[in-house]
Amino acid sequence: EDKVVQSPLSLVVHEGDTVTLNCSYEVTNFRSLLWYKQEKKAPTFLFMLTSSGIEKKSGRLSSILDKKELFSILNITATQTGDSAVYLCAPSGAGSYQLTFGKGTKLSVIP
Amino acid sequence: KAGVTQTPRYLIKTRGQQVTLSCSPISGHRSVSWYQQTPGQGLQFLFEYFSETQRNKGNFPGRFSGRQFSNSRSEMNVSTLELGDSALYLCASSTSTPGEETQYFGPGTRLLVL
Repeated sequence: EDKVVQSPLSLVVHEGDTVTLNCSYEVTNFRSLLWYKQEKKAPTFLFMLTSSGIEKKSGRLSSILDKKELFSILNITATQTGDSAVYLCAPSGAGSYQLTFGKGTKLSVIP
Repeated sequence: KAGVTQTPRYLIKTRGQQVTLSCSPISGHRSVSWYQQTPGQGLQFLFEYFSETQRNKGNFPGRFSGRQFSNSRSEMNVSTLELGDSALYLCASSTSTPGEETQYFGPGTRLLVL
């Protein structure tokens, strides 16, 4: 059975701090890992990772995948209150046509 | 391009009733997936359709069913509703092209079963 563990489950930081969110996974025939941000609505897509060691960046957010150790991290630098959300990681397996979501990390950024 | 749309956005039903939810994918996307989100279980996969065929199904009872039409629009149906079916139901669409597995989510339908 596919398994995804995210840590920490929740995190409270001050504006300007840097945070690292973790995602470890066990997925049959791994193909890709996606990160999503969810506020009080539908998840919005952040990154898709398929290759180990290649960092993807978008503004203050970046993410990297380690396919040997089966984990991914999401970094957010200079956090802002608008970064407050639940961050979800979801690996997919080849031919499974589904995403298996972790429970998410709830990030709260206080002014 | 318009995003994924879902109707209705909110729904209140009573135990034993049935409900049908609708999802229109992003134009050009042929794959539609459905997920159930609850505070306790998180986001759980229900099923995925591509070209009117169900390709994969999650671990949900047979009361949960779906279908996809030739225009890629999809519906899911829950029969004999139970209190535990109260959840946010999300649909997501993708091109399902190899290397492009990104799924884009709709706003969801929040179902409350009384």
